[in-house]
Formats: sequence, C-alpha cells, structure tokens
Amino acid sequence: DAGVIQSPRHEVTEMGQEVTLRCKPISGHNSLFWYRQTMMRGLELLIYFNNNVPIDDSGMPEDRFSAKMPNASFSTLKIQPSEPRDSAVYFCASGQQGADEKLFFGSGTQLSVL
Amino acid sequence: SQQGEEDPQALSIQEGENATMNCSYKTSINNLQWYRQNSGRGLVHLILIRSNEREKHSGRLRVTLDTSKKSSSLLITASRAADTASYFCATASSYGNNRLAFGKGNQVVVIP
Repeated sequence: DAGVIQSPRHEVTEMGQEVTLRCKPISGHNSLFWYRQTMMRGLELLIYFNNNVPIDDSGMPEDRFSAKMPNASFSTLKIQPSEPRDSAVYFCASGQQGADEKLFFGSGTQLSVL
Repeated sequence: SQQGEEDPQALSIQEGENATMNCSYKTSINNLQWYRQNSGRGLVHLILIRSNEREKHSGRLRVTLDTSKKSSSLLITASRAADTASYFCATASSYGNNRLAFGKGNQVVVIP
C-alpha cells in the first residue's frame, strides 16, 4: 500500500483565495483525521470521520473551514476565504477504528497564505 | 480533554548514548502511543502500550507506563544519527470515542 496520500505537497496562495487540500486514506481504514501543525499550537485535531461520517468537528477553527468525505477513499479540507493565520502544515491521517487504533499520517500539505 | 505532555522539550546527545523522554497525561486512558516525526514529514507510529501493561519493547525502543502517576517514558538505546527527530506521545482516552490527543513533541538531536 502507498500509505496516506496528500496533495498538494505545498500550496502558496493569497489571502482571500479558496484552498482545497486532498487526502486519500489507506485502503480498508475506516477512520480519517485532519490535523493542523504549527510551532505555536503544536498538532491540533480539526475534524475526524468514521465510515465517511463526520464525528467531531469541534476543532475546526471557523466557518471558513469545511471538510468532506464523499467516499471511503477520498477526503477534502477546504478553507474559504483563506487568511495568513491559516498558514500551517495540514496532515491527514487514517486508521482502523478500535481499542488499539494506530494512526498512519500522510506527508502533509505546507500551506502558506500571503 | 487530556493531552500528553512530553518532558524534556529538547534533547541533544552523542551517537551511541541513550535518550529518554517522558510524557504525562491527566485522565484515564485506554492506551498510550509514541510517534516520531522527521523534519518535513508526517508522524510515524512507533509503539503502543495498553493501560494494563507496564513495559514494552520494540527493537531499540523501551516504553514504560505508570498509570498511578499518569506518566510514560520512551527510551531509545544506542542512539543513531537517524534517530534525530521529534517524538510525540499520544493518549487514547477511556472516555467516549477513544480518539488520540497528542502532546507538543520532544526534539531529539543525535550528534554523529
């Protein structure tokens, strides 16, 4: 398996633009997580899905952020409109839900909003 | 929500030495996990220890868990330059959904 695949690897955009981050989880995994990592706040959980259904989006910072998982093999995280403070590394991770769930992370998307 | 907190925050050692990191947490857990993150990469799962276990080994890694003190330690023996990375502990709460809460990470630099 290729692991969790995220795209793009890097994204540079201007304030106010729409940004869409993509994730392909590992086949067979039924949970998917979006995290944001910054030096100041560390690794923050934004939202997670179980069997394609959003379970907890309490970590989504504002209404400008939205996430979808239309099927078991694809998820998007959208920021509209983007702001400079959204600059961070965004990680997608997948796992097999259970008592000993381990997460497998993608390589992340480095987002810079100018 | 609980969150693992690693200590010390940064560690610099010579190749061949052992590296020890600690993690504390606040509430009851099902398991505690350690992850490694190399610069510019995603986190990689290293080892999981369940709440009813006290010690676990995996290669050069040794993890201990003390649920009475709500703490864990990760020991890397005979460190190598390739062990240079950030190390995170993550706890799976025994309340509710079992999702992981990550600490802020512990930077380890192994000097060749």
